[in-house]
Amino acid sequence: AQRVTQPEKLLSVFKGAPVELKCNYSYSGSPELFWYVQYSRQRLQLLLRHISRESIKGFTADLNKGETSFHLKKPFAQEEDSAMYYCALSTSYGKLTFGQGTILTVHP
Amino acid sequence: DVKVTQSSRYLVKRTGEKVFLECVQDMDHENMFWYRQDPGLGLRLIYFSYDVKMKEKGDIPEGYSVSREKKERFSLILESASTNQTSMYLCASRSRTDQYTGELFFGEGSRLTVL
Repeated sequence: AQRVTQPEKLLSVFKGAPVELKCNYSYSGSPELFWYVQYSRQRLQLLLRHISRESIKGFTADLNKGETSFHLKKPFAQEEDSAMYYCALSTSYGKLTFGQGTILTVHP
Repeated sequence: DVKVTQSSRYLVKRTGEKVFLECVQDMDHENMFWYRQDPGLGLRLIYFSYDVKMKEKGDIPEGYSVSREKKERFSLILESASTNQTSMYLCASRSRTDQYTGELFFGEGSRLTVL
């Protein structure tokens, strides 16, 4: 069975500090990983996906198959990054499993 | 612009009532999903549908059923609502061509309170 774990429910940093949101997964097949974000009073939306290997809003995430992790990083956090972040795993047959979510608060 | 619309933003129902949550998408997507969102538990998949008249159980289907009679509409049904079904319900859709790597498009959510 597939599983996604985000160990931190809450994460607080100051503006300009680096931030890392942790995500670990378990899946016996070849996973595809995503990060979704939900800003206050907005709908949940895709932030980035592993297959694109892109940086979105300064965020990057690297898939580490050895450690089964897909941590989200940003070198300099901004106040507008404050949101709920979900890590998600997709299987080859299309089922998408989400983690428990991490609330990021960036203080001025 | 991509649009997933959930007809009810807020509902208050009584224990034992039958509840319908409706979701409509205008993107001609084959795949549709129902999740519930609870603090500390994240998003948990209730049911998903690959295409019209197709449905698959997710991780927490107990107490729920779904209907997909038309491609654009995916309904979640609570046959007899219970207080532990008080939650935020999120509908999402995705194109079948992006089934493995594709983006899910979410609705704004339906907050259900069962008294």
